Amino acid sequence: DADVTQTPRNRITKTGKRIMLECSQTKGHDRMYWYRQDPGLGLRLIYYSFDVKDINKGEISDGYSVSRQAQAKFSLSLESAIPNQTALYFCATSDSRPEGAPAFFGQGTRLTVV
Amino acid sequence: DQQVKQNSPSLSVQEGRISILNCDYTNSMFDYFLWYKKYPAEGPTFLISISSIKDKNEDGRFTVFLNKSAKHLSLHIVPSQPGDSAVYFCAASFLGRDDKIIFGKGTRLHILP
Repeated sequence: DADVTQTPRNRITKTGKRIMLECSQTKGHDRMYWYRQDPGLGLRLIYYSFDVKDINKGEISDGYSVSRQAQAKFSLSLESAIPNQTALYFCATSDSRPEGAPAFFGQGTRLTVV
Repeated sequence: DQQVKQNSPSLSVQEGRISILNCDYTNSMFDYFLWYKKYPAEGPTFLISISSIKDKNEDGRFTVFLNKSAKHLSLHIVPSQPGDSAVYFCAASFLGRDDKIIFGKGTRLHILP
């Protein structure tokens, strides 16, 4: 089983719909992240969390919300999906390394908003 | 403003030879530099990092060199193997600032038989 599991792997949704992307990890890490990747661009941080009670906005948090239900679970919601949220979404975890960077990524969720 | 730049979208290298992936940055305040590897349909995998106070870090076949005066780092893979074919992302971060890691756009490495 993967250390970081994302569901669903692929999703097509309509504009205006609410959608939730889920992430669970077995690494036992406190730090979890949500990134998005657009074609030809690097990863951009949406939200990150240091523990269940510590959630922080990243570079591109507008239009997204998150929930840290447990140490192992971190979900990302699009309250009202729009086409420019079509992207590849990655969840990641990290231990408390000084680089402040994610270490383990899920396989990604390809989201298409039509 | 793109703070971390990978100017080569792709690179082809013969199996057994050295692969050199380059990355330039603009902010001299970065504390760490990292390389990630990504296969199709998989998430990125952390490969190797280097602190800004060092100029070299080695891990097996992978070595990262940092030239602070030129604001340039490179990842050397020796010898290159077929399994090294992937997209490589360069990234830079600040100590203790998980919200400030900056990724480059990636370089696709093809290892030719």
